[in-house]
Amino acid sequence: DAGITQSPRYKITETGRQVTLMCHQTWSHSYMFWYRQDLGHGLRLIYYSAAADITDKGEVPDGYVVSRSKTENFPLTLESATRSQTSVYFCASSHRVGTDTQYFGPGTRLTVL
Amino acid sequence: GENVEQHPSTLSVQEGDSAVIKCTYSDSASNYFPWYKQELGKRPQLIIDIRSNVGEKKDQRIAVTLNKTAKHFSLHITETQPEDSAVYFCAASDSNYQLIWGAGTKLIIKP
Repeated sequence: DAGITQSPRYKITETGRQVTLMCHQTWSHSYMFWYRQDLGHGLRLIYYSAAADITDKGEVPDGYVVSRSKTENFPLTLESATRSQTSVYFCASSHRVGTDTQYFGPGTRLTVL
Repeated sequence: GENVEQHPSTLSVQEGDSAVIKCTYSDSASNYFPWYKQELGKRPQLIIDIRSNVGEKKDQRIAVTLNKTAKHFSLHITETQPEDSAVYFCAASDSNYQLIWGAGTKLIIKP
């Protein structure tokens, strides 16, 4: 699974600051996803992208912005971080559609103080 | 929209015994049901999946069954081993071919 990486792995920030989480995959997968993982909620989809320049909202998109100018990169930006956005964020990719096997990155643990 | 419920939230079994985790879904149009395993501090990884045209699928000690009429599917692990200890997530596809996830089951294997 070295083909999908996330940075940073850990981040502490303050309320109101802008934060960008990076995701990079080397497989040329069409689909990429951002999830947040919170205890008791499993994985919740924030945004997904079917290809470069095509993005769509998932289950919990409020407060987040994404872009995908290149197939291999899918950054997630918290425009003004809030404490409720403290979570573990996983990026994932799949070959064709969301119902193909999804390969997850190692995750970013974000703490908003 | 699709809703997935997963039970139990924690399951403790003796090593060597079987474990069963159950999920129910709400959207009768769902057609893809994967199971992912997440070890402590690691990323989720697919362990088995099933599509709606199949009732059961097995891979060594793990199996998944699907009941479309009742809208539920289950993960079965036989002859459990210490390395099976993890959190297991079920998921179901929605109308946009994305996945809606269950809340997870923490499986504890007692020696």
